[in-house]
Amino acid sequence: TQLLEQSPQFLSIQEGENLTVYCNSSSVFSSLQWYRQEPGEGPVLLVTVVTGGEVKKLKRLTFQFGDARKDSSLHITAAQPGDTGLYLCAGGLMSTGNQFYFGTGTSLTVIP
Amino acid sequence: SAVISQKPSRDICQRGTSLTIQCQVDSQVTMMFWYRQQPGQSLTLIATANQGSEATYESGFVIDKFPISRPNLTFSTLTVSNMSPEDSSIYLCSTSTGSSYEQYFGPGTRLTVT
Repeated sequence: TQLLEQSPQFLSIQEGENLTVYCNSSSVFSSLQWYRQEPGEGPVLLVTVVTGGEVKKLKRLTFQFGDARKDSSLHITAAQPGDTGLYLCAGGLMSTGNQFYFGTGTSLTVIP
Repeated sequence: SAVISQKPSRDICQRGTSLTIQCQVDSQVTMMFWYRQQPGQSLTLIATANQGSEATYESGFVIDKFPISRPNLTFSTLTVSNMSPEDSSIYLCSTSTGSSYEQYFGPGTRLTVT
């Protein structure tokens, strides 16, 4: 079993729609990151959240870290075809120093 | 942040041979990581490579199959030994900076074993 479970695994939506991706765990993380990966490239860091309840906005993307630091969500408003990609959450586990875990991934396709 | 390059970007190899993947960082970093990824899926950590010490391998990965070198603070190599078709995958290196475990990735090496 994966330490970080993402849902949904696949998502296909029309341009202009809103969507939310979830990243859940039973473990507490000292920090959590979201990455986006496009085909043929490595994952690119979008944001880091470190405080329980923290909300960060990056243009049309809103990231939230759960109060207990066990879960996170990514909300995209008015999705565009350029948002297409594989979204990965990842976290540093408090009890293991720099041990880093990636989520199961969410593949998003935005149809023009 | 850090800028990372990998070579080769892709390769097609025959069963039983070995391939060494190179990873170069544009600044000195303490920790480098090697991951494996099936297309469209998440990343699986192979090992952590610190300069001046033996690499630390994750469960399911062994040094004989995936030997790693870390000769200095800007460079690392991963060798995939005695390859089989099951080793076909994307191999990524990354480094971590700062105190929040943020990672920066190379573009990956797409390996196909025939």
